[in-house]
Amino acid sequence: GAGVSQTPSNKVTEKGKYVELRCDPISGHTALYWYRQSLGQGPEFLIYFQGTGAADDSGLPNDRFFAVRPEGSVSTLKIQRTERGDSAVYLCASSPSRSGGNNEQFFGPGTRLTVL
Amino acid sequence: SQQGEEDPQALSIQEGENATMNCSYKTSINNLQWYRQNSGRGLVHLILIRSNEREKHSGRLRVTLDTSKKSSSLLITASRAADTASYFCATPVNSGYSTLTFGKGTMLLVSP
Repeated sequence: GAGVSQTPSNKVTEKGKYVELRCDPISGHTALYWYRQSLGQGPEFLIYFQGTGAADDSGLPNDRFFAVRPEGSVSTLKIQRTERGDSAVYLCASSPSRSGGNNEQFFGPGTRLTVL
Repeated sequence: SQQGEEDPQALSIQEGENATMNCSYKTSINNLQWYRQNSGRGLVHLILIRSNEREKHSGRLRVTLDTSKKSSSLLITASRAADTASYFCATPVNSGYSTLTFGKGTMLLVSP
């Protein structure tokens, strides 16, 4: 596929459960970003990967959130002990450049997470 | 916190009219980007304007940047129903320019 893909598109879970959200970036893109978007708000930065390493994880709200990108391509966002406040659309984006803020970011369709 | 703030929050116009959205930001930037989002899902990049540019065009889009006022505007000319979407401005978070911060967006409704 040509674009960024995210799975699942929708995820409904119960409070306290563990969830994993997957992002498949555009092939060859070294930079990968996770954002979270609540209703009526703009995307909020969570974490940025350059290759396999997390270059900036300052946006992760707490230690229940964790993300990996072990081979420098696919990334997984993991949320432990989910809370109702975690309900949001989780967006992934990738960029071909190291300086992603200076270039266009390509977004996936997002995963809508609902915590009951 | 979000640096960019779009204005207005919502805009409703008729097809064929022009739509203007504004964005204000707080700190110095080296570029500003505009994105469109349909139906609350993935964002699509529209245009990037660098701090040394004052105006940029792309098809029916015209973006201006005034670094002295820390503001930008997005003009969509001859709007179409398909332009109905939310529009966000985004700026680099820090001097490393690694990530973007987004405003809350302007929701544009274009009626046939």
